[in-house]
Amino acid sequence: EPEVTQTPSHQVTQMGQEVILRCVPISNHLYFYWYRQILGQKVEFLVSFYNNEISEKSEIFDDQFSVERPDGSNFTLKIRSTKLEDSAMYFCASSLAGGGRSGANVLTFGAGSRLTVL
Amino acid sequence: DAKTTQPNSMESNEEEPVHLPCNHSTISGTDYIHWYRQLPSQGPEYVIHGLTSNVNNRMASLAIAEDRKSSTLILHRATLRDAAVYYCILRDRTNNAGNMLTFGGGTRLMVKP
Repeated sequence: EPEVTQTPSHQVTQMGQEVILRCVPISNHLYFYWYRQILGQKVEFLVSFYNNEISEKSEIFDDQFSVERPDGSNFTLKIRSTKLEDSAMYFCASSLAGGGRSGANVLTFGAGSRLTVL
Repeated sequence: DAKTTQPNSMESNEEEPVHLPCNHSTISGTDYIHWYRQLPSQGPEYVIHGLTSNVNNRMASLAIAEDRKSSTLILHRATLRDAAVYYCILRDRTNNAGNMLTFGGGTRLMVKP
């Protein structure tokens, strides 16, 4: 079964450092997403990306965050200057289509990248 | 997306059926009902979705009330591997721009051997 792969599985960084989290979405999917989950809390939407541009973003996704699809396979999340409160599990997801239309808009999530900011 | 209400937690015995309820009294006519689950230390995983009719797949069944204001996810024989947080989420099928999922607190299902 096709899957979304994320690297690294765990990254430890110092406050103020830049971090790049990488994701390889499912190859024929068109929509890409980043979510995060702080330990013990809900899964929170960060950003969605379609046709090489951001289609939606949440209030969490401020100027410190950016996303990029540098080639035909990778989708990255960059945090420019990490803060302690950025410590979380970051999930990448992809879907074939957007909206709620039947079947095509099922999101497939990766296993996540755990970010620890010291 | 319209709001859903789920119990915080439920318990089940292994190999018994589990019925996970979800209330969505403000559902609109264009909302699909989606269920995802999150196993411990993993990303969310799609389970099932439906609009008006009951749905079955290899993982579960989805029973939707006639007025669509509630639904029930049915696991026919719970296994220890089904212990997870189950999320009931409404998705507007006409809103192509609103394509992200909004997760609530979900129901934590505990399965006892």
